[in-house]
Amino acid sequence: DAGVIQSPRHEVTEMGQEVTLRCKPISGHNSLFWYRQTMMRGLELLIYFNNNVPIDDSGMPEDRFSAKMPNASFSTLKIQPSEPRDSAVYFCASSLVGLAGGPLLYNEQFFGPGTRLTVL
Amino acid sequence: AQSVTQPDIHITVSEGASLELRCNYSYGATPYLFWYVQSPGQGLQLLLKYFSGDTLVQGIKGFEAEFKRSQSSFNLRKPSVHWSDAAEYFCAVGSLTTDSWGKLQFGAGTQVVVTP
Repeated sequence: DAGVIQSPRHEVTEMGQEVTLRCKPISGHNSLFWYRQTMMRGLELLIYFNNNVPIDDSGMPEDRFSAKMPNASFSTLKIQPSEPRDSAVYFCASSLVGLAGGPLLYNEQFFGPGTRLTVL
Repeated sequence: AQSVTQPDIHITVSEGASLELRCNYSYGATPYLFWYVQSPGQGLQLLLKYFSGDTLVQGIKGFEAEFKRSQSSFNLRKPSVHWSDAAEYFCAVGSLTTDSWGKLQFGAGTQVVVTP
């Protein structure tokens, strides 16, 4: 398996521009997580999808951030407009998780290599 | 709310010496516990996990961790570190609440430096 794939690996943009980060989860996984990592705040969960549906977006910092998962094999995180304080490494992770009401599964999250975003 | 604490921000250890990284959690029920490692410029890689059963868990790269319910701890150990073990280590606990099942709460991380 190729693991979680993220693109681009590096992105440099100017303040005010739109940024789109992409993620392809591991085939067969039903949950996808977007994280942001900075020196000051550490690793923060931004949003969590299960079966393509957003379950928890309480970590999304503000309306400038949006995430979609149109199908089981693709997700995007968009920042519009971008600001210098958005500079960070953004990770996507996937897992196979069962929610209440069905078979309860708990598995580890597999992380992608990350996208290093620099907003000038 | 559950939380994870890694008391040591930074640890320096000599190559060949033993290593122990501390992790404490606060949660009423038996949690799902994980240790991840992050090498510079890389994503997080799972070292080991504890769900139930034997409280001493073996992982990759010669690491092990012991779950101690009485101390709410899940400390990571390695008998003899190698220079390649220099990295940041994260402890995480899995949420067991219905509305956040599958989410991981990560500690702040411990940076490990290995000296010759």
